Amino acid sequence: AQTVTQSQPEMSVQEAETVTLSCTYDTSESDYYLFWYKQPPSRQMILVIRQEAYKQQNATENRFSVNFQKAAKSFSLKISDSQLGDAAMYFCAYRRFGNEKLTFGTGTRLTIIP
Amino acid sequence: DAGITQSPRYKITETGRQVTLMCHQTWSHSYMFWYRQDLGHGLRLIYYSAAADITDKGEVPDGYVVSRSKTENFPLTLESATRSQTSVYFCASSPIPEGGNNEQFFGPGTRLTVL
Repeated sequence: AQTVTQSQPEMSVQEAETVTLSCTYDTSESDYYLFWYKQPPSRQMILVIRQEAYKQQNATENRFSVNFQKAAKSFSLKISDSQLGDAAMYFCAYRRFGNEKLTFGTGTRLTIIP
Repeated sequence: DAGITQSPRYKITETGRQVTLMCHQTWSHSYMFWYRQDLGHGLRLIYYSAAADITDKGEVPDGYVVSRSKTENFPLTLESATRSQTSVYFCASSPIPEGGNNEQFFGPGTRLTVL
């Protein structure tokens, strides 16, 4: 079974600084997708960024980018120019190609310090 | 309004009672999912459905029942609620994947407390 590990239960960063959230996963598959979801205090789950395993280029969405290391099974999220609105729980998730089920990590709570 | 909704948003019940959580989506997505969120566990899949009348177990299905008679609805029933089922429950939906990459859209969640 696939597992997703987020080893940082909590992180904090100064406003306008850069922070990196870690995620590792375990799979024997070669084709899969990885996701980062944001859950603000409203509890709504919001997709931040996604990465296809067959793509070598790291995904980027505005201030959010990933460092995808397939061989190391690592998928970290970098948030640049952190803003107060970035404060949330962040979940890393995995989905095998051809399977719609998501496997989530346990989450990292990010605090932004003004 | 278009989207995915859950009801109720908050529910308090007692041990042994039957509880049904409702989920409705207006996109006609084929796939629907139920997750529970607990501290230290993230989100875990309870049940999912690929289409009307097709359902399958996820990671933590014990104590739950689902049905899907219509594409847009996917109710989750706790037949005899236990305290361990106190959690936040999320419903999600996604379309049939085109090109492989597919996003799940989540409802706002239901906070269930079992006393």
